[in-house]
Amino acid sequence: SQTIHQWPATLVQPVGSPLSLECTVEGTSNPNLYWYRQAAGRGLQLLFYSVGIGQISSEVPQNLSASRPQDRQFILSSKKLLLSDSGFYLCAWSVVRGTIYFGEGSWLTVV
Amino acid sequence: ELKVEQNPLFLSMQEGKNYTIYCNYSTTSDRLYWYRQDPGKSLESLFVLLSNGAVKQEGRLMASLDTKARLSTLHITAAVHDLSATYFCAVDSNYQLIWGAGTKLIIKP
Repeated sequence: SQTIHQWPATLVQPVGSPLSLECTVEGTSNPNLYWYRQAAGRGLQLLFYSVGIGQISSEVPQNLSASRPQDRQFILSSKKLLLSDSGFYLCAWSVVRGTIYFGEGSWLTVV
Repeated sequence: ELKVEQNPLFLSMQEGKNYTIYCNYSTTSDRLYWYRQDPGKSLESLFVLLSNGAVKQEGRLMASLDTKARLSTLHITAAVHDLSATYFCAVDSNYQLIWGAGTKLIIKP
């Protein structure tokens, strides 16, 4: 069966510091991968999605970036965090036109 | 551009009552998803509806899809406290999901 792992689960970072969130998927090949952000009490915002290694599409302009160095690995990064980057970050995977399955999420607080 | 609207956005109800959450979308789509999110947690897939007239049921939750009306409903029967959560619908559009804003459901004993 397929599983998705995302870490770290929580982090508190100062403004201007870098960020790296990592996500890996097991039990499937060539999945579509996604990074979503959810502000407190709000809906989901798609940040990035990837249909293959090195293929990243960005949905919104921001100071975040994503990379997919391996088929089942997806990384969300920032060189300098802003207060507005605080939120709940969710990695997810799917097959083409299939149900999206989410990781456990990472709570980021920028102080 | 596909838009997805859920209503109500907030619902407080008593245990034992029935209620329906609505998900309207603005352009043609042939698949719709319902997810549940508990406070502070990730999203869990509940249903995927793939065709007009599709109906799926799991316990006290039943989802249906009317593609002609561009409407999906999530019906809660005899609500129990454990169903308190935020429920999201999402509609497939050109291989991407467009998400509703979510319905926060609180069920009081």
